[in-house]
Amino acid sequence: KAGVTQTPRYLIKTRGQQVTLSCSPISGHRSVSWYQQTPGQGLQFLFEYFSETQRNKGNFPGRFSGRQFSNSRSEMNVSTLELGDSALYLCASSLASGDNTGELFFGEGSRLTVL
Amino acid sequence: GQNIDQPTEMTATEGAIVQINCTYQTSGFNGLFWYQQHAGEAPTFLSYNVLDGLEEKGRFSSFLSRSKGYSYLLLKELQMKDSASYLCAVRDFSQGGKLIFGQGTELSVKP
Repeated sequence: KAGVTQTPRYLIKTRGQQVTLSCSPISGHRSVSWYQQTPGQGLQFLFEYFSETQRNKGNFPGRFSGRQFSNSRSEMNVSTLELGDSALYLCASSLASGDNTGELFFGEGSRLTVL
Repeated sequence: GQNIDQPTEMTATEGAIVQINCTYQTSGFNGLFWYQQHAGEAPTFLSYNVLDGLEEKGRFSSFLSRSKGYSYLLLKELQMKDSASYLCAVRDFSQGGKLIFGQGTELSVKP
């Protein structure tokens, strides 16, 4: 069974640009969560999608947005990039929203560098 | 709000036992989780506690005390491959059930 797939794995952008990251969850998983990971802040929750609906949102500015498609694939977008957006963006899938087992399956991440 | 605290770094010797502590404050606790993350890799699920007590899984055990807002991850018979970051995470229903992570504990296992 294929794991969580994130694309692209690495990308470099300049300030002011926008970026779109993609995540394909494990087959059958309907919940997708996004996290930003930086050395100073650790894993910070961005948002969670379930059945094409945003179920939860973290404390990030409106420049960060996302969506989920009917096949459960998800994308997140960051507009007007800032230097501080440089981070590893991790996507995680689970069977259902708020799945009590807590077993999130993470992708390898998309490492964004903003110059 | 929610606050999760764990030590930033720990060092231990191969073959030894190490305990990584995690304290948390939450208003809608619904489970505590431990994840392991090797450098450059995705976090992987280790354990889940929702009731008080010890959960054992091979060389790894996790303990929870809900009244104290406290958990620990116990690693026995340490191996070099256990060098990784260990992330404590709490699910809080007062925040929509999202999983909130601590900063992680970087464990270095020395020969």
